[in-house]
Amino acid sequence: KQEVTQIPAALSVPEGENLVLNCSFTDSAIYNLQWFRQDPGKGLTSLLLIQSSQREQTSGRLNASLDKSSGRSTLYIAASQPGDSATYLCAVPTSGTYKYIFGTGTRLKVLA
Amino acid sequence: DTAVSQTPKYLVTQMGNDKSIKCEQNLGHDTMYWYKQDSKKFLKIMFSYNNKELIINETVPNRFSPKSPDKAHLNLHINSLELGDSAVYFCASSQQGSGELFFGEGSRLTVL
Repeated sequence: KQEVTQIPAALSVPEGENLVLNCSFTDSAIYNLQWFRQDPGKGLTSLLLIQSSQREQTSGRLNASLDKSSGRSTLYIAASQPGDSATYLCAVPTSGTYKYIFGTGTRLKVLA
Repeated sequence: DTAVSQTPKYLVTQMGNDKSIKCEQNLGHDTMYWYKQDSKKFLKIMFSYNNKELIINETVPNRFSPKSPDKAHLNLHINSLELGDSAVYFCASSQQGSGELFFGEGSRLTVL
């Protein structure tokens, strides 16, 4: 059974810092891994999708890496800004199914 | 032009009532989902349809009945609402179950 864990649960940093969010999963037979952000009272916005054959994906100041063998992914945010404040979630589909399992999220606050 | 749209955005109702939430996607995806986000912000899959066929049915009370009239629509009907049904319900879609997930804005259900 796939389980997804995110550490830390909450993070508060001053503006301009580079930071790393972590996502761990127990079943490494995954098609892909996806990172989302959720603003309070809003839906989820897709940030990055990494296919199982890829090691990383980049979009602007965001870089996500995937290490299937160790069951880990990291989301790197460069030069953080107050607008990055949100909850970040990772999700993986369980092997052989369409069932995406979500992590518990990391609540990020970037202070101006 | 919203990719995944849900209606209504807010629902406030009394215990015992029946309510429906509608979802439509204009992305041409073949797979749609219902997720529930509880008060602790944990996202859990409820149902998934692929080309109008039910493929995932998690341990959800049978008071919840999804219906997919075509692959662009997935509705959720809830009978005999209970206090514990209060949550935000998210609709999502993807292509072939392993592609990128796109979410609607959510429907916040409050049962009094």
